[in-house]
Amino acid sequence: ETGVTQTPRHLVMGMTNKKSLKCEQHLGHNAMYWYKQSAKKPLELMFVYNFKEQTENNSVPSRFSPECPNSSHLFLHLHTLQPEDSALYLCASSQEGLPRPYEQYFGPGTRLTVT
Amino acid sequence: AQSVTQPDIHITVSEGASLELRCNYSYGATPYLFWYVQSPGQGLQLLLKYFSGDTLVQGIKGFEAEFKRSQSSFNLRKPSVHWSDAAEYFCAVAGGGSQGNLIFGKGTKLSVKP
Repeated sequence: ETGVTQTPRHLVMGMTNKKSLKCEQHLGHNAMYWYKQSAKKPLELMFVYNFKEQTENNSVPSRFSPECPNSSHLFLHLHTLQPEDSALYLCASSQEGLPRPYEQYFGPGTRLTVT
Repeated sequence: AQSVTQPDIHITVSEGASLELRCNYSYGATPYLFWYVQSPGQGLQLLLKYFSGDTLVQGIKGFEAEFKRSQSSFNLRKPSVHWSDAAEYFCAVAGGGSQGNLIFGKGTKLSVKP
């Protein structure tokens, strides 16, 4: 148990559906992240939120829409996805600033299958 | 730009044997370095980290890693592997650029023979 939870753990959706992934951190951290992990590819950073402000968007398609209502919760809203979006989506959190910058703690992930 | 190379995609070792997983990084200044482990269907768990100071760092589950600036390496070691160590291992580097960003290697999958 790392203090970062993600729901749902598994999700199957059609290309016309709309769904949301939820992440919650119980560590008192001030930064949260979404990553995509596909087979045979390194982890891809999608979004970064620092103090609820989005500080990074790595050219992610607009069919992925993040939301960070407070420093403990992070959502990823999904709509009109493509089969190539099937992957494990990982959420992470960290406390930015000294003494432990960049030390990220990960949730268990949501396995997404787009049919 | 920072980058991380894990040259071994898949390694198989016998239970009880020693283990070394290789990691090379590219970064101009002193890097922050991490090793994470991922069991099947799970998220990433932090094994250990290097920020500064002693170049030999100890982590959880009996793992250690050594930072060698001259070789731009941060190899992960364990003296005696257990069957439960079978997993995928990721090396990551941070520092510079956008705050909080980690750059991950492609991972090394470890299999353990009985």
